[in-house]
Amino acid sequence: AQRVTQPEKLLSVFKGAPVELKCNYSYSGSPELFWYVQYSRQRLQLLLRHISRESIKGFTADLNKGETSFHLKKPFAQEEDSAMYYCALSASGGYNKLIFGAGTRLAVHP
Amino acid sequence: GAVVSQHPSRVICKSGTSVKIECRSLDFQATTMFWYRQFPKKSLMLMATSNEGSKATYEQGVEKDKFLINHASLTLSTLTVTSAHPEDSSFYICSAPRPGRTQETQYFGPGTRLLVL
Repeated sequence: AQRVTQPEKLLSVFKGAPVELKCNYSYSGSPELFWYVQYSRQRLQLLLRHISRESIKGFTADLNKGETSFHLKKPFAQEEDSAMYYCALSASGGYNKLIFGAGTRLAVHP
Repeated sequence: GAVVSQHPSRVICKSGTSVKIECRSLDFQATTMFWYRQFPKKSLMLMATSNEGSKATYEQGVEKDKFLINHASLTLSTLTVTSAHPEDSSFYICSAPRPGRTQETQYFGPGTRLLVL
């Protein structure tokens, strides 16, 4: 069964500290992994996807098939990074349905 | 970027009534749209896949007679919560995939908050 696990409900750090939001997945095939972000009172929006191998707002995420993980990292957190972060899995491409993790709230304190 | 709208943004209704929520892709066509439900401080749970010109595909455990989905055009999908009950109170979110130059991206609506009294 497809499943996405985000073990941390809340991650609280100080500005300038490194951040790692954990995500593990369960899928028998070749999944496509995404990170979505939801800022306060805003809609869900795509942050990055593993196939793009890009860095958005300083965030990166590497797909580790051996560990079935797709952790989101940023070396120096900023206050504006405070938001809800969701890891999501799609069977293939994005036309297929997305399975979301429970989400992790990142709180960056000054 | 692409925009997906939802209407209404918030609705309060009495128990037993039906509520219709609209999801529109404003600047692109979407043959497929997705409906999610989000409980307070919980993740998004996929309810169904809305297909233009054909029946919706429901996820396991979602009552298709309770949550009627109609994909009337390439830019509009509607979710009707029939005979609503207080336990149907939730945040309903739709999304639509839009093809890009190299890959497609799903765009999410702002959500509709339903409160059933």
